[in-house]
Amino acid sequence: DGGITQSPKYLFRKEGQNVTLSCEQNLNHDAMYWYRQDPGQGLRLIYYSQIVNDFQKGDIAEGYSVSREKKESFPLTVTSAQKNPTAFYLCASSRGGQGVTFAFFGQGTRLTVV
Amino acid sequence: GESVGLHLPTLSVQEGDNSIINCAYSNSASDYFIWYKQESGKGPQFIIDIRSNMDKRQGQRVTVLLNKTVKHLSLQIAATQPGDSAVYFCAENITPDTGRRALTFGSGTRLQVQP
Repeated sequence: DGGITQSPKYLFRKEGQNVTLSCEQNLNHDAMYWYRQDPGQGLRLIYYSQIVNDFQKGDIAEGYSVSREKKESFPLTVTSAQKNPTAFYLCASSRGGQGVTFAFFGQGTRLTVV
Repeated sequence: GESVGLHLPTLSVQEGDNSIINCAYSNSASDYFIWYKQESGKGPQFIIDIRSNMDKRQGQRVTVLLNKTVKHLSLQIAATQPGDSAVYFCAENITPDTGRRALTFGSGTRLQVQP
């Protein structure tokens, strides 16, 4: 099956710890994205990558870091510098290229700080 | 991103009726728009898209209308079914001015279908 896999589905973190969320796609897409969603709100862009070894900050990048060493993988690290990390995190991918096309989303990781 | 309240606007319709969900976008340079459906605890699913050189596009039971003059987008769902109950988001692409190639999402509308 082609798609995007996010893991884990639920994640608990103690305050002050870094945690890494996994995102893998087998759609052969060039572009990948991370969004954050808070209860009752829309999606806000954290980071995006149009090609391997390149990524750009989105609207709320502070306290987060990413890497794009492989085309199929775009892990997100939530660092201790992120003041309010409890949220639903969504990874997406799309064909990329000159124009934006619609993105496929994973099923999300719900992160809770305890 | 925009600041929004904790409570989404809600549209409640009877099963079998048509639904219209509206979205206002802010940037006149936006050239591509998408509607997504999100069920509770899941990732958004693509419904339909439209480019700025069109004003209407139809899919299966869904129609998207784009009015660039007033920067308004709408999603029409025909013969709404209980399985259509979800939160619906519009998203826009705001290149080429910014050089940014990622979608910007609206705050969403909750659709509740009454049996």
